[in-house]
Amino acid sequence: GENVEQHPSTLSVQEGDSAVIKCTYSDSASNYFPWYKQELGKRPQLIIDIRSNVGEKKDQRIAVTLNKTAKHFSLHITETQPEDSAVYFCAADLGEGSTLGRLYFGRGTQLTVWP
Amino acid sequence: DGGITQSPKYLFRKEGQNVTLSCEQNLNHDAMYWYRQDPGQGLRLIYYSQIVNDFQKGDIAEGYSVSREKKESFPLTVTSAQKNPTAFYLCASSNPTGVGGNTIYFGEGSWLTVV
Repeated sequence: GENVEQHPSTLSVQEGDSAVIKCTYSDSASNYFPWYKQELGKRPQLIIDIRSNVGEKKDQRIAVTLNKTAKHFSLHITETQPEDSAVYFCAADLGEGSTLGRLYFGRGTQLTVWP
Repeated sequence: DGGITQSPKYLFRKEGQNVTLSCEQNLNHDAMYWYRQDPGQGLRLIYYSQIVNDFQKGDIAEGYSVSREKKESFPLTVTSAQKNPTAFYLCASSNPTGVGGNTIYFGEGSWLTVV
């Protein structure tokens, strides 16, 4: 199956700085890469995703980049705010066969934004 | 996200007892999933179902059982064979397309504590 590695496991930044979280995946057949944000005690919620035919996608302060050759993708948060503090998960989807629909998650990054 | 309902939100179980967590969705999604979350472990897949009356084991299925008799329902039973059942359990659903990706939506989660 797919193996998704996520780094760093914890990240602390000052309010207004940028934060970058990186993920690598093992299966070159993966074609969908979502990012989820989970606040303490709550459910994960999708914040942005990217498909394999796109190299970059941006939504206000959040952007995701994908390098299919190197099999890695990254989440970029600019102008961070304290409410960005949460655990962020990356994931990959093979999108075919018996694993259709199954997401493989990274272990998560605890982001803390200090005011 | 509001279309996935998990119950109960908090549950205490004595060792040796089976317990069933309920998950209902009104999103008309074909696929449903159960994840377990422990601190620092990320999201680990227990079972998933792509269609009614069919389901597959995930990465940590031992000590758990599921059924998928109706499209909207995917209950999870935590049996006494599960050695460390205390965790946060998340149900999710999606409509896999096989083309370009699969957005998974999570329920609010159920906290299970073994006493």
